[in-house]
Amino acid sequence: DGGITQSPKYLFRKEGQNVTLSCEQNLNHDAMYWYRQDPGQGLRLIYYSQIVNDFQKGDIAEGYSVSREKKESFPLTVTSAQKNPTAFYLCASRDRGHRDTQYFGPGTRLTVL
Amino acid sequence: AQKVTQAQTEISVVEKEDVTLDCVYETRDTTYYLFWYKQPPSGELVFLIRRNSFDEQNEISGRYSWNFQKSTSSFNFTITASQVVDSAVYFCALILSQGAQKLVFGQGTRLTINP
Repeated sequence: DGGITQSPKYLFRKEGQNVTLSCEQNLNHDAMYWYRQDPGQGLRLIYYSQIVNDFQKGDIAEGYSVSREKKESFPLTVTSAQKNPTAFYLCASRDRGHRDTQYFGPGTRLTVL
Repeated sequence: AQKVTQAQTEISVVEKEDVTLDCVYETRDTTYYLFWYKQPPSGELVFLIRRNSFDEQNEISGRYSWNFQKSTSSFNFTITASQVVDSAVYFCALILSQGAQKLVFGQGTRLTINP
């Protein structure tokens, strides 16, 4: 089945630790995005990548890092510099063929203990 | 800058009632796209509809309908004969046609359909 997968679904980490969230898509989409969602709020853009080996900061990039070595993969690292990392993280990819719509993965809920 | 406002934080109705979710947007661009997404309790955002700024025709898909009015910068979503399965958080979003196509989301409306 074609789609976007994110792993793990739930993630716990101790303060001061870096953690990497996985996002994989087999839809052959060029562009990929990471969003953060806090309770009762809309989504905010962290990073995005329009092509392999290229990515740009979004609105709340501080404390996060990404890489885009393969078209299918866009992992997000939450570093110890992120002050308040507990949130729900959603990955999306964009389909230029289907009216430029962004499709989302199931999300990863990160909790810092 | 672009902005999307969903003034209704929570709505609760009884099953079979009609319900309208409001969305008001701000942008200085003439070419843009508007979206609605549904977020069920599982968390994944489900795409519902995309509308471009040049197409003000209303759209109907089953029990769902959308009313786009540029004159009032609104893109409202109506569910007819609501069902319990419609319970979710609904997001309205805006994207510009140029550039990286970053979605700007509203705060979301939590819709609860009671049996």
